[in-house]
Amino acid sequence: AQSVTQLDSQVPVFEEAPVELRCNYSSSVSVYLFWYVQYPNQGLQLLLKYLSGSTLVESINGFEAEFNKSQTSFHLRKPSVHISDTAEYFCAVSDRAAGNKLTFGGGTRVLVKP
Amino acid sequence: GAGVSQSPRYKVAKRGQDVALRCDPISGHVSLFWYQQALGQGPEFLTYFQNEAQLDKSGLPSDRFFAERPEGSVSTLKIQRTQQEDSAVYLCASSTLTGPQETQYFGPGTRLLVL
Repeated sequence: AQSVTQLDSQVPVFEEAPVELRCNYSSSVSVYLFWYVQYPNQGLQLLLKYLSGSTLVESINGFEAEFNKSQTSFHLRKPSVHISDTAEYFCAVSDRAAGNKLTFGGGTRVLVKP
Repeated sequence: GAGVSQSPRYKVAKRGQDVALRCDPISGHVSLFWYQQALGQGPEFLTYFQNEAQLDKSGLPSDRFFAERPEGSVSTLKIQRTQQEDSAVYLCASSTLTGPQETQYFGPGTRLLVL
C-alpha cells in the first residue's frame, strides 16, 4: 500500500529566504509524484509533478522538486520565497497498482514572514 | 474555462440527518474523484468514477456513504444518518483521461459540520 510522509507540519520562513519541504513515500511499484498547493480559502492546485524522465521538475513560480528513487523522496524547494507563497503544501503519490487515486501526505503549512 | 464546482460550499447538519453534496466536474472530463479532508490532515480517497461507472469505492468509510454519477458528468455524494465524525471538507476532483499520471483538478470543497 502507498503512504506519504511529510515530516514538517509547519515551516515558518522569512521573505526571500530559501525553503525546503520534505516528502517521503512508500510504494512497491513505479510511482507518479505530485505537489499540490492550497492558498488560504482556495482549492488545491497542482504545483508540479514527476511522471518520468528528468528527476528534477520545476514549476512556473520558482519551485522545484527532485525525485530520488533510492531515498524514496520528492522534496520541494524554493531558493527565495515571497509573502504570496504562504499556503499549505501537499505531497501526493499515485501508481498503477493502486488505481488512479492520489494518496496524500498530511500537509506542510508554510508561513512567510516579512 | 470553468473549473470544478461544488455545492453547497458549507453545510451544517444535525446528527442523524441525510446530506447530499454535489460536484460539477470540468466539462468532458472522464474521471471523477471524491476525497475527504479532516481538519489538519491531508485529503483521503473515497471513491472514483470513470464516466458513469464507479470503479473504486474502497475508501468509503461505511455503508452510510453513497456516490453516483448517473450520466457521466455531475456527481452526488450522499451521506445517510450523519455522525459527528463525518465532519470534514469533501473535495471533488476531475481529470481529462484515466490513469494515475493524469493531473486531478480540484473543486473548492464542501465543508460539512455535523452537530
